[in-house]
Amino acid sequence: QVQLQESGPGLVKPSETLSLTCTVSGGTISSYYWSWIRQPPGKGLEWIGYIYYRGSTNYNPSLKSRVTISVDTSKNQFSLKLTSVTAADTAVYYCARAYGDYTIYHFEYWGQGTLVTVSS
Amino acid sequence: DIQMTQSPSTLSASVGDRVTITCRASQSISSWLAWYQHKPGRAPKLLIYKASSLESGVPSRFSGSGSGTEFTLTISSLQPDDFATYYCQQYYSSWTFGQGTKVEIK
Repeated sequence: QVQLQESGPGLVKPSETLSLTCTVSGGTISSYYWSWIRQPPGKGLEWIGYIYYRGSTNYNPSLKSRVTISVDTSKNQFSLKLTSVTAADTAVYYCARAYGDYTIYHFEYWGQGTLVTVSS
Repeated sequence: DIQMTQSPSTLSASVGDRVTITCRASQSISSWLAWYQHKPGRAPKLLIYKASSLESGVPSRFSGSGSGTEFTLTISSLQPDDFATYYCQQYYSSWTFGQGTKVEIK
């Protein structure tokens, strides 16, 4: 069974960079699409972006200028960087495996999520 | 952006009840819709994709229907393990989610 686990700092200062890693176990990162999704407290789920294992990416236009998603196939991991964070970026961040061919459709497997708080 | 609106926001039900959750899209999304179950502190779980296709391993009491702008998730006989929050998600244009429906014990 494929499992995903997010890791990274739970507290980030305003204007700094949020960095998270998702480690995939029980399967290979190759041949799939991988995504990040977040949920601010009391709000809905927001798609952040995805990466294909070969490195091609697609980002939510509302976050595109601040987001970078990368993949390390040797470690079976993919990562999220979000720059210039504000309190509005406080959220539970989820990583997920997406079903897709030339694009992604639904999200087959998710991590448990990690809360990242932006505060000084 | 396509907006997804779920109703109700909260639903109180008893074990054995038939439960229906509705998801409406702000424009037609054909059948490009998925449903997820989410319990606090757990990974969300895919239940239904392409509006009515049951994900492998998901109990048959879950079913999905609809196309265009209106969709439903039905639980034919609510079980104790089904108390959770349910989300719809469209993938016709970008990827957006409904705000969630919490199914709680009556």
